[in-house]
Amino acid sequence: GAGVSQTPSNKVTEKGKYVELRCDPISGHTALYWYRQSLGQGPEFLIYFQGTGAADDSGLPNDRFFAVRPEGSVSTLKIQRTERGDSAVYLCASSGQTDTQYFGPGTRLTVL
Amino acid sequence: GESVGLHLPTLSVQEGDNSIINCAYSNSASDYFIWYKQESGKGPQFIIDIRSNMDKRQGQRVTVLLNKTVKHLSLQIAATQPGDSAVYFCAETFGGSARQLTFGSGTQLTVLP
Repeated sequence: GAGVSQTPSNKVTEKGKYVELRCDPISGHTALYWYRQSLGQGPEFLIYFQGTGAADDSGLPNDRFFAVRPEGSVSTLKIQRTERGDSAVYLCASSGQTDTQYFGPGTRLTVL
Repeated sequence: GESVGLHLPTLSVQEGDNSIINCAYSNSASDYFIWYKQESGKGPQFIIDIRSNMDKRQGQRVTVLLNKTVKHLSLQIAATQPGDSAVYFCAETFGGSARQLTFGSGTQLTVLP
């Protein structure tokens, strides 16, 4: 079956702009996670959804970051007033009954 | 805060040899550990996991060992192949199920011909 997909694969934007990153989890997976990975580092947790609700958003760095999952499947990570420090690879993962998190290919965000 | 760390940032092995990648964790409450492989430009790929009630788990060509006494985790890869070249991350979580994963900084494994 299909894995986790993320779009776009690359996004270049200018400082101050708004961006949306999309994640399509594995079909049937109820849990969805967003992570951010800087160059040479391991992924860092941002937010976790169980169904439609955000069960844990403790990793969101500030109120410029927001994520939704309105129908319990696709999720969108939204970043307002982007800053150069937001440049990173944004990874999405999903898990089902086994709790193993399966990752997508990521979206590389570059803020100029 | 609590963190997961790796002993060595790089590891080079000859093709066909066994590889051992180590990881130290600091949160004694962690009860679930996972190894991921990440190739350049790709997302992390699940390799193997282990829960804290076990000390060893084997998969295909891979073995994970957990030593809770010294809070140490290792990944053993048998008969290392060129396709095994990648960055390997250990990750941990706690609370009875996989929620927020805390990752280490990774070890770059290079397989030499």
